[in-house]
Amino acid sequence: GENVEQHPSTLSVQEGDSAVIKCTYSDSASNYFPWYKQELGKGPQLIIDIRSNVGEKKDQRIAVTLNKTAKHFSLHITETQPEDSAVYFCAGGGGGADGLTFGKGTHLIIQP
Amino acid sequence: DAGVIQSPRHEVTEMGQEVTLRCKPISGHDYLFWYRQTMMRGLELLIYFNNNVPIDDSGMPEDRFSAKMPNASFSTLKIQPSEPRDSAVYFCASRPTGGNTQYFGPGTRLTVL
Repeated sequence: GENVEQHPSTLSVQEGDSAVIKCTYSDSASNYFPWYKQELGKGPQLIIDIRSNVGEKKDQRIAVTLNKTAKHFSLHITETQPEDSAVYFCAGGGGGADGLTFGKGTHLIIQP
Repeated sequence: DAGVIQSPRHEVTEMGQEVTLRCKPISGHDYLFWYRQTMMRGLELLIYFNNNVPIDDSGMPEDRFSAKMPNASFSTLKIQPSEPRDSAVYFCASRPTGGNTQYFGPGTRLTVL
């Protein structure tokens, strides 16, 4: 089955700086890679996703890149703001699988 | 759209008691997933259903856990008897056929004393 590794487990950045979270996956059949944001006391919410036929996708301050050859994908948040503080999860799935395999999460802390 | 609805939001019970968690998926979604979240193990998939039929329950920790989906609008996750190590946040998620995105509910925080 799929195995998703996520790094770092904790990331602290100054407000206004950029944050990068990285994930690797093991199953070359996976073709769907979402990123979820989880705020305290809430369920994970999708913030952006990418499919394997695309190398990069942007949505305002958030971007995701995918390297299929190396089997890794990254989340980039620019001009970080206090409301970006949360736990972020990457996941891999698709390619015939019904479910998603999640990384262990990254606790992003935005320092004022 | 009301999103995925879970109840209760918090449950505190004593070891040995039966616990039932409830989930209402988004209308029209044919897939329903149950996850458990802990600090140590992260988000673990317990079981998922397609069109009310259990497809994969390999993540269910042991026979004390059971899940049902009697109709397209309702699912339950039952733990009997509960143990302190079952303490976690349990999430339900749903997605439509043909889509990959899963939509999560707010979760149920279970504490077993």
